[in-house]
Amino acid sequence: EAQVTQNPRYLITVTGKKLTVTCSQNMNHEYMSWYRQDPGLGLRQIYYSMNVEVTDKGDVPEGYKVSRKEKRNFPLILESPSPNQTSLYFCASSPPWGRGDSYEQYFGPGTRLTVT
Amino acid sequence: AQSVSQHNHHVILSEAASLELGCNYSYGGTVNLFWYVQYPGQHLQLLLKYFSGDPLVKGIKGFEAEFIKSKFSFNLRKPSVQWSDTAEYFCAVTASGGSYIPTFGRGTSLIVHP
Repeated sequence: EAQVTQNPRYLITVTGKKLTVTCSQNMNHEYMSWYRQDPGLGLRQIYYSMNVEVTDKGDVPEGYKVSRKEKRNFPLILESPSPNQTSLYFCASSPPWGRGDSYEQYFGPGTRLTVT
Repeated sequence: AQSVSQHNHHVILSEAASLELGCNYSYGGTVNLFWYVQYPGQHLQLLLKYFSGDPLVKGIKGFEAEFIKSKFSFNLRKPSVQWSDTAEYFCAVTASGGSYIPTFGRGTSLIVHP
């Protein structure tokens, strides 16, 4: 089954304790991205990656890191989480440009993070 | 850079009422347009999309949207909503032939009363 998976789905942690949220897709998509969703603010892009070893900042990158060592994986790293990073996080992937379904985003199930 | 405005933040309807959610974008070139839906507790999924051709696009579950280029709009419609349509709806735009970077609107929360 074609899908985007994220782990963990729920995480409660304390300020300053490094954490990683994994994201993996099995559709051979080149483009991957991370969003956070907050009430009243909609979806805001954190980081995106056009391909392996190619990453760039989105709208709200502060406090986050990413890496893209393999095409299928795009982990989100919070080196020193703070309470304002409490949010719902979504990973998404998209086919390469030129295909019929280009730009359509395939979303993971979400990770609800609480930082106390 | 493109931007997307969704004018209705919260919409409350009764079952069988008609729905229209507004979406306007700003971008001078050719665009691809999307509506995504997020049911309570679930992830976003594609409702419909416009790439080219017929500006009236039909999606899943009886939804449709019309691309009006002169108005930079891509409004979502459904003639008769159901309780199960209760969800958050997001409009999104990407620049055709450009980068992959999509821009999402802030979303519209739809509540349908039975």
